[in-house]
Amino acid sequence: DTAVSQTPKYLVTQMGNDKSIKCEQNLGHDTMYWYKQDSKKFLKIMFSYNNKELIINETVPNRFSPKSPDKAHLNLHINSLELGDSAVYFCASSPAPSSGKDTQYFGPGTRLTVL
Amino acid sequence: QQQVKQSPQSLIVQKGGISIINCAYENTAFDYFPWYQQFPGKGPALLIAIRPDVSEKKEGRFTISFNKSAKQFSLHIMDSQPGDSATYFCAASIVKQAGTALIFGKGTTLSVSS
Repeated sequence: DTAVSQTPKYLVTQMGNDKSIKCEQNLGHDTMYWYKQDSKKFLKIMFSYNNKELIINETVPNRFSPKSPDKAHLNLHINSLELGDSAVYFCASSPAPSSGKDTQYFGPGTRLTVL
Repeated sequence: QQQVKQSPQSLIVQKGGISIINCAYENTAFDYFPWYQQFPGKGPALLIAIRPDVSEKKEGRFTISFNKSAKQFSLHIMDSQPGDSATYFCAASIVKQAGTALIFGKGTTLSVSS
């Protein structure tokens, strides 16, 4: 009965490679997000999608490309990985504002290590 | 204007004591102020949240105090327990806008000693 799931949990790769992280939510939410948590635990928004439409695209290198095939899925593809991309990436989801419920639910995270 | 400032960075409290974490914001458009708790290796989980139309919200041992005029809010953990040892993040957002992100503070690492 996992609410927000991510795969893989750990990802170790070499510089220059391309990798993807997958996210799925079974909460029926309209909005999904990607956050990055750095080594100092600072959490920062990268992208948000509402009903498969891109809403927020923070100052993230265009090597990062989110893709939302449907409302329940938001994947993150990263090209030409760099050392600075090493972090924990969290997917999250939330209901529509009209629902009156505001909570964002976070997945367990994917720890990306670039060597 | 989009920042949320959180203090202290770390906090050590004895079992049974009160833990207090403070946050401040600038953007008066923020209308939702949650606190998240994160254990090592886990994702952040909502602990308690408040809207700016109330000054205090209590859920069990956790209380948010909100001062709209000062643009500050704080988390109080009463009777702190070793199981409360975690990183706590305050956050703010504008919930009327679909897809609006949470703007997080930098986090407070709480250690409760037994």
